[in-house]
Amino acid sequence: KAGVTQTPRYLIKTRGQQVTLSCSPISGHRSVSWYQQTPGQGLQFLFEYFSETQRNKGNFPGRFSGRQFSNSRSEMNVSTLELGDSALYLCASSPGTEQTQYFGPGTRLLVL
Amino acid sequence: AQSVTQPDIHITVSEGASLELRCNYSYGATPYLFWYVQSPGQGLQLLLKYFSGDTLVQGIKGFEAEFKRSQSSFNLRKPSVHWSDAAEYFCAVGPGTALIFGKGTTLSVSS
Repeated sequence: KAGVTQTPRYLIKTRGQQVTLSCSPISGHRSVSWYQQTPGQGLQFLFEYFSETQRNKGNFPGRFSGRQFSNSRSEMNVSTLELGDSALYLCASSPGTEQTQYFGPGTRLLVL
Repeated sequence: AQSVTQPDIHITVSEGASLELRCNYSYGATPYLFWYVQSPGQGLQLLLKYFSGDTLVQGIKGFEAEFKRSQSSFNLRKPSVHWSDAAEYFCAVGPGTALIFGKGTTLSVSS
């Protein structure tokens, strides 16, 4: 079974721009979560989607948003990028909520 | 507040020696506990998990962890470390999704 895939793997943007990251979960998995990883803050939960509905949300500003499609693929969007948004963004999928998550390779975003 | 503490930022172990990585958690409900490993430039790979039952859990690559409720700990162990085990290790707690992660422990393996 193919693992979680994320596109693109690397991205360079400038301050003020917006960016969209994509995540394709493991086949059959209906829950997709997003995490931000930075050297200073570590791994932080952004949000979780299950059956196209946001189920949980972390403590991030409204500039961070996401959605999930009927095929369980998910996108996250960051608007008005700031330098501090430079990070590795990890997507994880699981069969349902409250079950083990499997992570993708991440998208590394650099904001200049 | 819910949190995970990994007291050791960096550990160096000789190849063939035993390993123990510490993890302490604070969580209001019955915790689901996880250990993940991350190699440079990679995502997170699940090593093992504890949901309930036997407090000693076995994982991949010869790792095991023991859940001790009285000590709020979930330490990771391996009897004999291989050079390929060098990576960053993360302990996490949560309901499965929406995990709270520790800051991680970087493991270096010396020959």
